[in-house]
Amino acid sequence: GAVVSQHPSRVICKSGTSVKIECRSLDFQATTMFWYRQFPKQSLMLMATSNEGSKATYEQGVEKDKFLINHASLTLSTLTVTSAHPEDSSFYICSALSSGETQYFGPGTRLLVL
Amino acid sequence: AQTVTQSQPEMSVQEAETVTLSCTYDTSENNYYLFWYKQPPSRQMILVIRQEAYKQQNATENRFSVNFQKAAKSFSLKISDSQLGDTAMYFCAFIPGNYGQNFVFGPGTRLSVLP
Repeated sequence: GAVVSQHPSRVICKSGTSVKIECRSLDFQATTMFWYRQFPKQSLMLMATSNEGSKATYEQGVEKDKFLINHASLTLSTLTVTSAHPEDSSFYICSALSSGETQYFGPGTRLLVL
Repeated sequence: AQTVTQSQPEMSVQEAETVTLSCTYDTSENNYYLFWYKQPPSRQMILVIRQEAYKQQNATENRFSVNFQKAAKSFSLKISDSQLGDTAMYFCAFIPGNYGQNFVFGPGTRLSVLP
């Protein structure tokens, strides 16, 4: 149990376009999901906390207009990178909080902006 | 502020041997949870083991066990009978006991299991 999927796994886009990443909890409901960014050989950096039915809470330094988060249901959160630029290229990982405190992670999305 | 420190950026171990990865943390919370996650080359984060701070007994999951020293704020991971598939980045993580809080991750330890 506790499976989290992420789609797409990899995306290449042109500078200026928007990219949507989906995070789904497949076998449990998650009122809280998290979005992380990971640079090569570094730890995970929390970008925002996504709560079902309410606005996301962004970490300091993360532009909320740049990284739009929507958590419309108990099994789906989306991250939209708006007007993506090469510096947004990174590995994005979501996680979903199951009952209790354990986070289960999606497989990640590799974004490359040309 | 809560912080997690992993003082070993890289480690290696021979297959079938035992290795211990260290983790220390700093918090003023009394109720919290500690985790070890593994990130293999596929980059999928996999839960290895978790420990509730209120439990004195060290958690164990097959070949993985922890040495939880609450007073010293230490949470080391021991991997017994190391296997090639254990090669990965290992992240220690802390979370306060309040529901919905986010993790604080350590910087990670890259473990290589050598044949």
